[in-house]
Amino acid sequence: DTGVSQDPRHKITKRGQNVTFRCDPISEHNRLYWYRQTLGQGPEFLTYFQNEAQLEKSRLLSDRFSAERPKGSFSTLEIQRTEQGDSAMYLCASSIHVNTEAFFGQGTRLTVV
Amino acid sequence: AQSVTQLDSHVSVSEGTPVLLRCNYSSSYSPSLFWYVQHPNKGLQLLLKYTSAATLVKGINGFEAEFKKSETSFHLTKPSAHMSDAAEYFCVVSDETGRRALTFGSGTRLQVQP
Repeated sequence: DTGVSQDPRHKITKRGQNVTFRCDPISEHNRLYWYRQTLGQGPEFLTYFQNEAQLEKSRLLSDRFSAERPKGSFSTLEIQRTEQGDSAMYLCASSIHVNTEAFFGQGTRLTVV
Repeated sequence: AQSVTQLDSHVSVSEGTPVLLRCNYSSSYSPSLFWYVQHPNKGLQLLLKYTSAATLVKGINGFEAEFKKSETSFHLTKPSAHMSDAAEYFCVVSDETGRRALTFGSGTRLQVQP
């Protein structure tokens, strides 16, 4: 399968714990995006990378959130000291360059209890 | 700044009748526009895209969209709805500079009645 891969698919964690999600984009895709989607809402932009450079971060991305894309390949999204409000589907997408369509992974569903 | 407004949160049609899902956009630059579909418990799938070529864009599963710059609209249509079209549809905008990430609309839930 050469699509966008996200791991894990589901994560249940206790409030206050740290979690880390991984995204493997389609090979040779320069752009990588992270979005968050809650029930009944459209995906909300969190951050994106052009190769290894993080070009934009949403105001939704509080200090507890950090994303990396070392070497411009896979990316990780870490949430520290999780809160119940962090419960959502976290979506990763990649595109080959600007203004081309983005391909989305299946997402990681986070539940904070 | 760029933004997308999907004018209807829910649309219900009968099987075999036309579908119209409305989208208006705002962009400081010439935009690229996309429609994505999300079936329950499935990932987002691209239906079609407009990137400054033909204004009438054909996508998968019989869907079409027309870019109208004067109306800043990019409505999604299909001549005849099928039960399998029931899903959530998102209109998405990206500006030509590429300095902004994709911006999603709030979505339109399409119901198809038998």
